[in-house]
Amino acid sequence: GAVVSQHPSRVICKSGTSVKIECRSLDFQATTMFWYRQFPKQSLMLMATSNEGSKATYEQGVEKDKFLINHASLTLSTLTVTSAHPEDSSFYICSAGQYSNQPQHFGDGTRLSIL
Amino acid sequence: QKEVEQDPGPLSVPEGAIVSLNCTYSNSAFQYFMWYRQYSRKGPELLMYTYSSGNKEDGRFTAQVDKSSKYISLFIRDSQPSDSATYLCAMSAYGGGSNYKLTFGKGTLLTVNP
Repeated sequence: GAVVSQHPSRVICKSGTSVKIECRSLDFQATTMFWYRQFPKQSLMLMATSNEGSKATYEQGVEKDKFLINHASLTLSTLTVTSAHPEDSSFYICSAGQYSNQPQHFGDGTRLSIL
Repeated sequence: QKEVEQDPGPLSVPEGAIVSLNCTYSNSAFQYFMWYRQYSRKGPELLMYTYSSGNKEDGRFTAQVDKSSKYISLFIRDSQPSDSATYLCAMSAYGGGSNYKLTFGKGTLLTVNP
């Protein structure tokens, strides 16, 4: 149980492109999903908390206009990197938990490379 | 001082060895403690989850929490080459609303040599 699916797993695109990443909870409903960013040999850094039916909560230093989050249903959250630039290249990972105080389960991540 | 400190290693052990991984923390608000395993280019996989001081065992894995010392450990018995991965400790505290935010350690890279 508690499977989280993330797509796509790999994106390579030109600078200025907008990229959408999907995160789905396959066998449970998630009112809250989380988006993280991970640089090579670094730990996961929380970018934002995505709440179904309401605005996302962004961590300090994360540009909400650059990283658009939509959580339209209890099983789907999307992260759109708008007008991506090479410095946005990173490993983006989503997670979800069945209940607010339960452990989060992670997707397999999306490796984004902006040329 | 970072909220969660974890020795990044790398740690290299022979197959069959007992592995000890540790994290310390400074935030007394942390209530839940987890260990994740992350293979290269994959998302973290939950290994252990606990919320009380003491030991919790699951197969070859034992998680230990000492809230008075703000210290958690993961022990791996009879380590296997397939255990080679990065191990992340994570802790959560109430983040407002109904959300519990996770704070991760930097991760320890473990290699188990056959």
